[in-house]
Amino acid sequence: NAGVMQNPRHLVRRRGQEARLRCSPMKGHSHVYWYRQLPEEGLKFMVYLQKENIIDESGMPKERFSAEFPKEGPSILRIQQVVRGDSAAYFCASSPSATEAFFGQGTRLTVV
Amino acid sequence: AQSVSQHNHHVILSEAASLELGCNYSYGGTVNLFWYVQYPGQHLQLLLKYFSGDPLVKGIKGFEAEFIKSKFSFNLRKPSVQWSDTAEYFCAVNGRHNQGGKLIFGQGTELSVKP
Repeated sequence: NAGVMQNPRHLVRRRGQEARLRCSPMKGHSHVYWYRQLPEEGLKFMVYLQKENIIDESGMPKERFSAEFPKEGPSILRIQQVVRGDSAAYFCASSPSATEAFFGQGTRLTVV
Repeated sequence: AQSVSQHNHHVILSEAASLELGCNYSYGGTVNLFWYVQYPGQHLQLLLKYFSGDPLVKGIKGFEAEFIKSKFSFNLRKPSVQWSDTAEYFCAVNGRHNQGGKLIFGQGTELSVKP
């Protein structure tokens, strides 16, 4: 059973471009969580999704950020018009139910 | 406010030394507690977790943690570290009735073990 797969592992974007980060949960997992880790800080919860539904987006910035988890395919975290402050590591986690979460290796976004 | 505080940002030990990493939390209500480890270039892995019962929890690779409710603490321990324990360690908490993967993390402690 493959783990949580995130791609790309590294992503470089110029200011103003869009960033799309993908997360494929473990097989059989229908709960997906996104976290952001800024330099020198711990992971911060962003959003919790189940298939086709956003359950909790209390940690998402109000503008430019969106997330989806379609019926088919991976979960996508989308950042529009990226700025330097968006540079961070973005982690995805999945779980089969409301129990412990399994994390991916993360995507390191660098905005230049 | 809900938060997790890890006392040490960077710990350096020699092999065979004993390890204790501090973790304190602030959270209203009953909690679940976790320690995760991230080896260089790898994903976060669960070391151990506490949901209820015996406050002394044993995890993988010889790690253990003790939940002390009165101190709001969940310190991680290992009697004798190895070079392969070099990694970053994260303490995390969520509410007993929260979604399982919605966690509040500490800032992390980087452990360097010298051979």
